[in-house]
Amino acid sequence: QLQLQESGPGLVKPSETLSLTCTVSGGSISSSSYYWGWIRQPPGKGLEWIGSIYYSGSTYYNPSLKSRVTISVDTSKNQFSLKLSSVTAADTAVYYCARWTVTIQYNWFDPWGQGTLVTVSS
Amino acid sequence: DIQMTQSPSSLSASVGDRVTITCRASQSISSYLNWYQQKPGKAPKLLIYAASSLQSGVPSRFSGSGSGTDFTLTISSLQPEDFATYYCQQSYSTPPRITFGQGTRLEIK
Repeated sequence: QLQLQESGPGLVKPSETLSLTCTVSGGSISSSSYYWGWIRQPPGKGLEWIGSIYYSGSTYYNPSLKSRVTISVDTSKNQFSLKLSSVTAADTAVYYCARWTVTIQYNWFDPWGQGTLVTVSS
Repeated sequence: DIQMTQSPSSLSASVGDRVTITCRASQSISSYLNWYQQKPGKAPKLLIYAASSLQSGVPSRFSGSGSGTDFTLTISSLQPEDFATYYCQQSYSTPPRITFGQGTRLEIK
């Protein structure tokens, strides 16, 4: 059974860079049918897609965050990572990683990691 | 970006009720529409993909329909474990510009 687990600091100072890692277990991150994604949810609010990556390193980013986001993959560790620079309080959220299944016609996120709360505060 | 609008934003219902949640896209998205369920403190869970395909392991009381701009999620007979927040999500564009609806909170009456 595929599982994803987010890890990283729970507190980041304003203007610094948020860094998170998602470790995939129970399956290979190099599977050809899957991308891997990051989604966030500010406290009490809705879901926002941040970006997605293929094992080859090909990426897609949310245009609203693109200038601050870098997603990378390490196939040797079965991990992918998120970096979000110049953070502000508005970046405080629960950050989820998820597998993004992409077929010829459709795509969806499943499963998801349990999420990790990142607070931006001095 | 394609905007997704869910209605209602919140809903009160009783166990055994039939419930319908609507999601409207700001432009046609064919059937590129997924539904997720989220319980407090938990990650979202995929219920329906491609507008009407039931994810493996999801009870058959959940169903999805629609195409183009208007979509619905129906729960045929509410169970206590169904009280949660539901989100629709589109993934139509190339390159992808994935967006979610604002959520519908389903509460016990």
